[in-house]
Amino acid sequence: DAGITQSPRHKVTETGTPVTLRCHQTENHRYMYWYRQDPGHGLRLIHYSYGVKDTDKGEVSDGYSVSRSKTEDFLLTLESATSSQTSVYFCAIRPREELTDTQYFGPGTRLTVL
Amino acid sequence: AQSVTQLDSHVSVSEGTPVLLRCNYSSSYSPSLFWYVQHPNKGLQLLLKYTSAATLVKGINGFEAEFKKSETSFHLTKPSAHMSDAAEYFCVVSDLFGGGYQKVTFGTGTKLQVIP
Repeated sequence: DAGITQSPRHKVTETGTPVTLRCHQTENHRYMYWYRQDPGHGLRLIHYSYGVKDTDKGEVSDGYSVSRSKTEDFLLTLESATSSQTSVYFCAIRPREELTDTQYFGPGTRLTVL
Repeated sequence: AQSVTQLDSHVSVSEGTPVLLRCNYSSSYSPSLFWYVQHPNKGLQLLLKYTSAATLVKGINGFEAEFKKSETSFHLTKPSAHMSDAAEYFCVVSDLFGGGYQKVTFGTGTKLQVIP
C-alpha cells in the first residue's frame, strides 16, 4: 500500500454538510493525488499536489478543495456535499524521483451523501 | 491528445483458460502505460508498467502485456486464469513532462469473471 492511509474509510453524510477526507503518507513523497471512482468512468482526477501548499485542479474539481500544509497530509474537502459526490475516493502518491510516473494508491474512502 | 479505450467492459473466462483484456491508447508523446488490478472493495494494485524498454512486459501473478506502437495497443494477457484473478482491471496512459508534471488518463475498466 506504499505507506498510504486514508481516513475515514467509510462515511455517510447529508446533503449540504461539509466533509473532509484525509490522505496520510509516511515516506515523504512530493506528489499526491485525489481521484474519484464511479462505475463506467474509471478514476478521474480531482486535485493534485506537487509540494507543501502547492496544489492544482484536475478534471473534476468543481465542489472540491484541497490543502496540504505538511508533506505527509493531503486533505480533500467537499464544501457542501451533494448526492452527485457519492463515490469512492482514492488518494495516490508518486515517489519523489522526478523521472518516475508510477502512482501508488491508498485503500480508498467510500462516501455516501444522502 | 491523450485517451485510453478498454474495448470490453466485461470478460468471462473459464478457470485454466487464457485471459485477454484489450486496451488501445492515444498520446501525442512517448507515453508510459500501466495495468492496475482492483479486487472488490480494495485499492488499485500495480500489475505491470511499460516505459519504452522491452515491448513485452511481465507483471505480477503471471500477467504480461505487449506494447504495439503501430496498433496503439497494450493488451493484457495471462496463459491460464485462476479464480483469484477475478477483479476489475484498468489500463492507464501517462505522459511525463518537464518539471515533473504528469498527465494521466484511466480507462473505464474491464471486469474479469472467472468461471470454475
